[in-house]
Amino acid sequence: GENVEQHPSTLSVQEGDSAVIKCTYSDSASNYFPWYKQELGKRPQLIIDIRSNVGEKKDQRIAVTLNKTAKHFSLHITETQPEDSAVYFCAAIRMVNTGFQKLVFGTGTRLLVSP
Amino acid sequence: EAQVTQNPRYLITVTGKKLTVTCSQNMNHEYMSWYRQDPGLGLRQIYYSMNVEVTDKGDVPEGYKVSRKEKRNFPLILESPSPNQTSLYFCASSFDLQGNGKVELFFGEGSRLTVL
Repeated sequence: GENVEQHPSTLSVQEGDSAVIKCTYSDSASNYFPWYKQELGKRPQLIIDIRSNVGEKKDQRIAVTLNKTAKHFSLHITETQPEDSAVYFCAAIRMVNTGFQKLVFGTGTRLLVSP
Repeated sequence: EAQVTQNPRYLITVTGKKLTVTCSQNMNHEYMSWYRQDPGLGLRQIYYSMNVEVTDKGDVPEGYKVSRKEKRNFPLILESPSPNQTSLYFCASSFDLQGNGKVELFFGEGSRLTVL
């Protein structure tokens, strides 16, 4: 089955700096890679995702890159702000034509952005 | 308002006392799933359901049961809770997926369970 490793477990940056969170996956058949953000005491929410047929996707200050050969994908946050402080989870799944089955999450990265 | 509703939000119980955590979604989603969140371990899938009467084990199903008799409801049952099931539980749902369909998981607010 799929295994997702996420690093680092904690990341502290100064406001305005960039932050990068990295994940690796084991199942070469995985074809969908979402990122979820969980603010303190809240539920996880999808912030960006990427499919295996593209190498990069951007949405304002966040971007995700995918290297299928290395089975590696990363979340990039530029110009970080204190409200970016949260736990970020990567995930990998193998989608089939009837939907997706096991969605495997990484162990999470706690990002702290200091003013 | 589109939402996933879990109950109870907080529960303290004792070992062996059966309990059920309910989950209901009003978005007509076919896919529903349960996760537990523990420090350092992230979100681990307990069970999932791709449609009514269709359920399957996730990565940590031991000690849990589920049922999907109706599309909107997906209760999580702990027949004989033990202290190692103390955790934060999330229910989630998503659209049915066909090809490049929407895949966003919508999470409930979470249920914090303590088993003494």
